[in-house]
Amino acid sequence: EAQVTQNPRYLITVTGKKLTVTCSQNMNHEYMSWYRQDPGLGLRQIYYSMNVEATDKGDVPEGYKVSRKEKRNFPLILESPSPNQTSLYFCASSLSRPATTTQYFGPGTRLTVL
Amino acid sequence: GENVEQHPSTLSVQEGDSAVIKCTYSDSASNYFPWYKQELGKGPQLIIDIRSNVGEKKDQRIAVTLNKTAKHFSLHITETQPEDSAVYFCAASPANAGGTSYGKLTFGQGTILTVHP
Repeated sequence: EAQVTQNPRYLITVTGKKLTVTCSQNMNHEYMSWYRQDPGLGLRQIYYSMNVEATDKGDVPEGYKVSRKEKRNFPLILESPSPNQTSLYFCASSLSRPATTTQYFGPGTRLTVL
Repeated sequence: GENVEQHPSTLSVQEGDSAVIKCTYSDSASNYFPWYKQELGKGPQLIIDIRSNVGEKKDQRIAVTLNKTAKHFSLHITETQPEDSAVYFCAASPANAGGTSYGKLTFGQGTILTVHP
């Protein structure tokens, strides 16, 4: 089944404790992206990747890191999480950039930083 | 950068009525406008999209209109059904290759649509 998977689905952590949220897709998509969803703010793009070793900042990249060493994986790294990073995070992928092909979203990761 | 405003934030209709959600955008370089539906506990799913060379696009009960001069686009759902209840997001993206925002997608704030039986 074609899908985008994220792990973990739920995570409660404390301020300053490094964490990684994994994202994997099995559709051989070149484009991958991370978003955060907050009430009243919609979805905001954190980082995106056009292909392996090609990443770029979205609208809210501060406090986040990403890497794209393999085509199928696009982990989101929070080196020193803070309470304002408490949010619902979505990974998405598409064959090419969103303006040309359909973007598929993962099920989401709910992160709470205490 | 691009800014997308979406209204209303909540919309309540009776089954069978029509629902309209409106979005405005700021960047004239944007020329791809998708709409996503997000059901409870799930990720957003693309339901319809429009590109700037088209003024209107229809898919069964769903239609999207685009006014590039005024920089606004709208989602129209006719004959609403309870299963249309969800959060709807509009978004905008530049479609031209090579620009600095090539891979960006900017979303609106979302509209919670409730269809009462």
